[in-house]
Amino acid sequence: GEDVEQSLFLSVREGDSSVINCTYTDSSSTYLYWYKQEPGAGLQLLTYIFSNMDMKQDQRLTVLLNKKDKHLSLRIADTQTGDSAIYFCAERTYGNNRLAFGKGNQVVVIP
Amino acid sequence: GAGVSQSPSNKVTEKGKDVELRCDPISGHTALYWYRQSLGQGLEFLIYFQGNSAPDKSGLPSDRFSAERTGGSVSTLTIQRTQQEDSAVYLCASSLGAEDTQYFGPGTRLTVL
Repeated sequence: GEDVEQSLFLSVREGDSSVINCTYTDSSSTYLYWYKQEPGAGLQLLTYIFSNMDMKQDQRLTVLLNKKDKHLSLRIADTQTGDSAIYFCAERTYGNNRLAFGKGNQVVVIP
Repeated sequence: GAGVSQSPSNKVTEKGKDVELRCDPISGHTALYWYRQSLGQGLEFLIYFQGNSAPDKSGLPSDRFSAERTGGSVSTLTIQRTQQEDSAVYLCASSLGAEDTQYFGPGTRLTVL
């Protein structure tokens, strides 16, 4: 079955890079996603990566996927105060349309 | 363009009452999902609709929960005889097709007193 793990809290200074990690257990993952949730808001899709890719870069965001270790990371370059939020990784597995989410990682950006 | 919308944004109810939560998906999206976000459980899948196919109800936590999707568009999630453990944020998402990226609405925060 699907099980997605994330660490809970990250504090980072404005302008530094943030790295958020996620591990998953199901090797039949097809797509892996990063969503952002600001206080009182829904989930905003940030980026996603197909399981046959190792890396994807999108402006300040870099996603790295290590399929051997079932490890996914999100790097945010030049972190801004507007990046303060909870970040969720999610996987979708083959033949399954639902998303399995991690518990989320709260990022606090210190000015 | 318009995203997924949900109503109400907040709902406070008394234990034992029934509630209905509404989701308007993005126009043209054939797939619709309900998830629940609670403190203890994180984000959990509840139910999935795809076109005219029978819905995947495997995530519904009890028979007090039901959902329907009328005309392939708007969906209503109904919780009967609400309990305090039903307090959570209920999120709706839609996608263009079954395997496409899911876009989420702002959620409905349900508080059962």
